Amino acid sequence: AQSVAQPEDQVNVAEGNPLTVKCTYSVSGNPYLFWYVQYPNRGLQFLLKYITGDNLVKGSYGFEAEFNKSQTSFHLKKPSALVSDSALYFCAVRDSQGAGSYQLTFGKGTKLSVIP
Amino acid sequence: NAGVTQTPKFQVLKTGQSMTLQCAQDMNHEYMSWYRQDPGMGLRLIHYSVGAGITDQGEVPNGYNVSRSTTEDFPLRLLSAAPSQTSVYFCASSSRGVFETQYFGPGTRLLVL
Repeated sequence: AQSVAQPEDQVNVAEGNPLTVKCTYSVSGNPYLFWYVQYPNRGLQFLLKYITGDNLVKGSYGFEAEFNKSQTSFHLKKPSALVSDSALYFCAVRDSQGAGSYQLTFGKGTKLSVIP
Repeated sequence: NAGVTQTPKFQVLKTGQSMTLQCAQDMNHEYMSWYRQDPGMGLRLIHYSVGAGITDQGEVPNGYNVSRSTTEDFPLRLLSAAPSQTSVYFCASSSRGVFETQYFGPGTRLLVL
């Protein structure tokens, strides 16, 4: 069965500093990994995804994520945080194998607060 | 393109009442799904569909029914609402393919008293 862990419920970072939101995963086959962001009282917005190829994936709003197969991680990063980045971030995974390969499994979310 | 739309935005039900949450997409996506979001639980899959006439259960299907008669629409039915179904419900759609991105609707906030 596929699973995702986001070990931090909340991350606080000062504006202008780099930010990292952590994600680890478990799958039987190859992982397809996604990051979404949710602003208050809104739906989820897609940020970026890893399918195959380059381990560093660039996405929307200056975010990027690094796929590390040996550590089964897919951490979200941004070089310089903005106050407007404050939101709830979700990591999600699909497994390339198994009956549930269409199912997207989400982590519990990490609340990012960027302090002015 | 309106994308994924959901109605209503907010609903209050009494225990035992029934209702249907509507979801529609205009992107000709084969795959559609329903999630519920609860604090500290992330998003959990309720039901999904890989095409018209095909539905399957997700992680938390009890108390919910779905049908998919057209590509565009994927309604979620609560036959007898319970307080445990108080949640925010999201519908999502994508093209068929495990690497395809799912696009989410704005959500329906449901309160069951």
